[in-house]
Amino acid sequence: QSVLTQPPSLSGAPGQRVTVSCTGISSNIGAGYDVHWYQQLPGTAPKLLIFGNTNRPSGVPARFSGSKSGTSASLAITGLQAEDEADYYCQSYDSSLSRWVFGGGTKLTVL
Amino acid sequence: EVRLLESGGGLVQPGGSLRLSCAASGFDFACCAMSWVRQAPGKGLEWVSTITNGNGGRTDYADSVKGRLTISRDNSENTLYLQMNNLRVEDTAVYYCAKGRGQDRENWFFDVWGRGTLVTVSS
Repeated sequence: QSVLTQPPSLSGAPGQRVTVSCTGISSNIGAGYDVHWYQQLPGTAPKLLIFGNTNRPSGVPARFSGSKSGTSASLAITGLQAEDEADYYCQSYDSSLSRWVFGGGTKLTVL
Repeated sequence: EVRLLESGGGLVQPGGSLRLSCAASGFDFACCAMSWVRQAPGKGLEWVSTITNGNGGRTDYADSVKGRLTISRDNSENTLYLQMNNLRVEDTAVYYCAKGRGQDRENWFFDVWGRGTLVTVSS
């Protein structure tokens, strides 16, 4: 059971917009800690996608965007492409556990 | 180019030991907090341990590995280590080395990842 809750799977057709949710509680996202997102393509290492809730590292397409409100955060992908098929993980910090925590991951399928 | 390259994984029996290494290049290794994150087969990511920058930096561990795994770094060799003792079957995973970044400790994130090294604990 992960500290941050994500839907296990999601799907969308090419060109569509999808949103991956990440739900926490008052000791992590709700406490104001930043949420970060990673993309893991099949058989590869995770890659930083969004940091500090809304910021994209250089090289990440503008199709990817992040937001945060209250005890939840979201990753939005617009103009879905076949190459976006991957696992997506959110990450934050939990003050009750005194450790960095990940969501359980969301497997995105492009139909 | 910023790179992290893990090594040292393999098959070990329960109760055994292993030492993982992560060779860093392309950035000022001493500046940065470094972490180990693992992923059990078919499962999600799990933070394992972090060591802050400088020499003899602060170390933090997940409860599941505290007392058995030890993180350390050699800034003169640009290398991060994870000494793994008293290994359990549930430690089986790909172990990733990751560079930490962020304005303050609680908001750190992992901006560069290695390719990982597989540790299999089995009799």
